[in-house]
Amino acid sequence: DTGVSQDPRHKITKRGQNVTFRCDPISEHNRLYWYRQTLGQGPEFLTYFQNEAQLEKSRLLSDRFSAERPKGSFSTLEIQRTEQGDSAMYLCASSIDRGGYYGYTFGSGTRLTVV
Amino acid sequence: DQQVKQNSPSLSVQEGRISILNCDYTNSMFDYFLWYKKYPAEGPTFLISISSIKDKNEDGRFTVFLNKSAKHLSLHIVPSQPGDSAVYFCAAKEGNNDMRFGAGTRLTVKP
Repeated sequence: DTGVSQDPRHKITKRGQNVTFRCDPISEHNRLYWYRQTLGQGPEFLTYFQNEAQLEKSRLLSDRFSAERPKGSFSTLEIQRTEQGDSAMYLCASSIDRGGYYGYTFGSGTRLTVV
Repeated sequence: DQQVKQNSPSLSVQEGRISILNCDYTNSMFDYFLWYKKYPAEGPTFLISISSIKDKNEDGRFTVFLNKSAKHLSLHIVPSQPGDSAVYFCAAKEGNNDMRFGAGTRLTVKP
């Protein structure tokens, strides 16, 4: 298992275009999270899945954002009609429910630049 | 609202000395606290955690202290090594809710 994989690593897009990011979690992990990180800030929660069910969405997740996790495996995060304010690092993390708490495993992120 | 705060954006220490990174929080319902370490171009890596029922957790060179009355936690690294140079994020969780992160502290350990 190579950890949490995110694709692409970098994405430059023109304002108004749609973009989609993919996250492949650790295979045994049933929870998957999306976070956004801007310069000088810590990661901000966007949404999370338990298996295929999207259980929570942040107010940061406007109607231009949508996330899916079909079959409870990989997840996609789509941003429609991108704006310059969407420029950020998008981080995916996964975790597993078991006794105790072990933290999330993060991917390396997708850096989005909207020009 | 920023429920987890790291008020020092940077810290510089000499190799071999102690590094102390601080974190304050406002939500008394947080029941788990964590520290993550982040190198450039990588995602945050889980470092150490502590449950709200404890006041100290130690793992090798890393110790986390929790002061619930002050709503304060700290990460001690001793002895500090140049490879510890990274951004350190404090994070906290309440039950099954999402994890909240501080803005991070950039630690530089000078040889």
